[in-house]
Amino acid sequence: DQQVKQNSPSLSVQEGRISILNCDYTNSMFDYFLWYKKYPAEGPTFLISISSIKDKNEDGRFTVFLNKSAKHLSLHIVPSQPGDSAVYFCAAICLHNQAGTALIFGKGTTLSVSS
Amino acid sequence: TAGITQAPTSQILAAGRSMTLRCTQDMRHNAMYWYRQDLGLGLRLIHYSNTAGTTGKGEVPDGYSVSRANTDDFPLTLASAVPSQTSVYFCASTLIRRLNTEAFFGQGTRLTVV
Repeated sequence: DQQVKQNSPSLSVQEGRISILNCDYTNSMFDYFLWYKKYPAEGPTFLISISSIKDKNEDGRFTVFLNKSAKHLSLHIVPSQPGDSAVYFCAAICLHNQAGTALIFGKGTTLSVSS
Repeated sequence: TAGITQAPTSQILAAGRSMTLRCTQDMRHNAMYWYRQDLGLGLRLIHYSNTAGTTGKGEVPDGYSVSRANTDDFPLTLASAVPSQTSVYFCASTLIRRLNTEAFFGQGTRLTVV
């Protein structure tokens, strides 16, 4: 059973518009969430994260929103740029139970930004 | 700084043979992970280790084994490779803190089992 779900395999957006990538999780023990970006033939790279004690974290063009009651988070990219075209992975971890924790990823969403 | 290094970068392996994928980090991270990436399936956790001397099973552990003899190294072994283990393998490490963490990934090992 998937603990982290990204239900949209792909998303196409025009340059300058907003990209919204969604992620749902089922494990209520998760208390920290991360977004990673991956280009072909490279390892994933960290983008932005959020703790469960917050509902929003912003870093430049990237904002992550967390809705704990809905077990849902989203990544907003504004404005979108062609260089943002990549696979985006959502990940979650339980930090307060470090003995048994592991970083769990979703299936990813491929974002294509056209100019 | 090296960060996290995987070797080899790619390998073609005959079915039935064994192979060890190497992963080394120099960041003194306590946790290390092995994932496989397959089209449409995302990054699936194979095994993990939260500290030297301990390991745990992930989502897809069958056919793989790991060891964590020290903080820096986390090798992944395929005892008898099968074609379904053809994949891109990523090793990651992270310093798990009480309030935050961030995982760093290697560049990946592309394994083809024929």
